[in-house]
Amino acid sequence: AQSVAQPEDQVNVAEGNPLTVKCTYSVSGNPYLFWYVQYPNRGLQFLLKYITGDNLVKGSYGFEAEFNKSQTSFHLKKPSALVSDSALYFCAVRVPNRDDKIIFGKGTRLHILP
Amino acid sequence: SAVISQKPSRDICQRGTSLTIQCQVDSQVTMMFWYRQQPGQSLTLIATANQGSEATYESGFVIDKFPISRPNLTFSTLTVSNMSPEDSSIYLCSVIQSGYAGELFFGEGSRLTVL
Repeated sequence: AQSVAQPEDQVNVAEGNPLTVKCTYSVSGNPYLFWYVQYPNRGLQFLLKYITGDNLVKGSYGFEAEFNKSQTSFHLKKPSALVSDSALYFCAVRVPNRDDKIIFGKGTRLHILP
Repeated sequence: SAVISQKPSRDICQRGTSLTIQCQVDSQVTMMFWYRQQPGQSLTLIATANQGSEATYESGFVIDKFPISRPNLTFSTLTVSNMSPEDSSIYLCSVIQSGYAGELFFGEGSRLTVL
């Protein structure tokens, strides 16, 4: 069964510092990988995705993520954190042609400290 | 990307009652899903809403408790039946849009509180 792990419940970063939110996955097949962000009392917003090609993908709000097949990871990164980046971040995986379900990690709460 | 509208955005309900949540999309989509997000938790897939046929439910979710309709390619409803406080959650409609690589787009969610 496919699964997604976000090992950190919470990440604290000082404003202006680089941030990383970790994600590892376990699937059979070639996955599609996604990151979503959820602000308080809002639905989820799509940030970025990896389908194929360049391992480094860029997304909204200056975020990027690096696909590492050997480590089965898809960590979310940003070079310089903003206080407004504080939110709940979800990693998700989908294996195409396998019932099309998208499975979410448990989420990581990111706190950017001013 | 698709614009997804959910109604109601929030509601407070009494134990034993039922509530229907509506999801309207501004364009035709290939797939529609309903997720539940319990307080402080991740998203759990309830079911895939199939156009013109019965929804496909995930383990732990049954049609009697969460009946779903999808009469066309842009609209779906989820009913939470015979509610108990354990049903207090955010319920999220999501879609996969044709022409996209499979990423989900979400509505703003319906926050239900059951007293």
